[in-house]
Amino acid sequence: EVQLVESGGGLVQPGGSLRLSCAASGFTFSSYWMHWVRQAPGKGLVWVSRINSDGSSTSYADSVKGRFTISRDNAKNTLYLQMNSLRAEDTAVYYCSPDFDYWGQGTLVTVSS
Amino acid sequence: QAVVTQEPSLTVSPGGTVTLTCGSSTGAVTSGHYPYWFQQKPGQAPRTLIYDTSNKHSWTPARFSGSLLGGKAALTLSGAQPEDEAEYYCLLSYSGHVVFGGGTKLTVL
Repeated sequence: EVQLVESGGGLVQPGGSLRLSCAASGFTFSSYWMHWVRQAPGKGLVWVSRINSDGSSTSYADSVKGRFTISRDNAKNTLYLQMNSLRAEDTAVYYCSPDFDYWGQGTLVTVSS
Repeated sequence: QAVVTQEPSLTVSPGGTVTLTCGSSTGAVTSGHYPYWFQQKPGQAPRTLIYDTSNKHSWTPARFSGSLLGGKAALTLSGAQPEDEAEYYCLLSYSGHVVFGGGTKLTVL
């Protein structure tokens, strides 16, 4: 059974940092491109970032470029999202997904003073 | 970045048929955009229904189908059930990034 467990969310002040993790199991993690997708409260899905299977290539939405960094540890079957210089508009549930085939339950990030 | 457009809302009668569409600001949607369709119910994570235009996962009900129609990606629901009431999102891939549509709220009434 595929499992994706996001963690690391919480309340952070504007300008602060958080590191999200996504623990994957039930599939060959190292074979999949991985994505982060977010959803602000009451809003739609927004793609944030992706990383290829060996971690050598990454891509970001313009809204997070230069502030967020995606990475992975294939030995630990874990995906990461380092989020710096956080803004109120980054408040959302963050989901990880392998090639959009499966979805975790998400982790809530709230940026507020 | 491109803008992906969907109908904000649609209504279908139980047992009826409805088509949701997904357009691109850059022009016609093709198979090269690898269209995806997702279903999301309130309080739940998204669920992938269709990938690469028309392929279904093992959990995708047979009443859902994907296609290209008139320069857009399309999701057709034939024989709507009450449990199909949900938000539906499409996704298109572009060089280096992907973009979600704004979602279609489907009401079964």
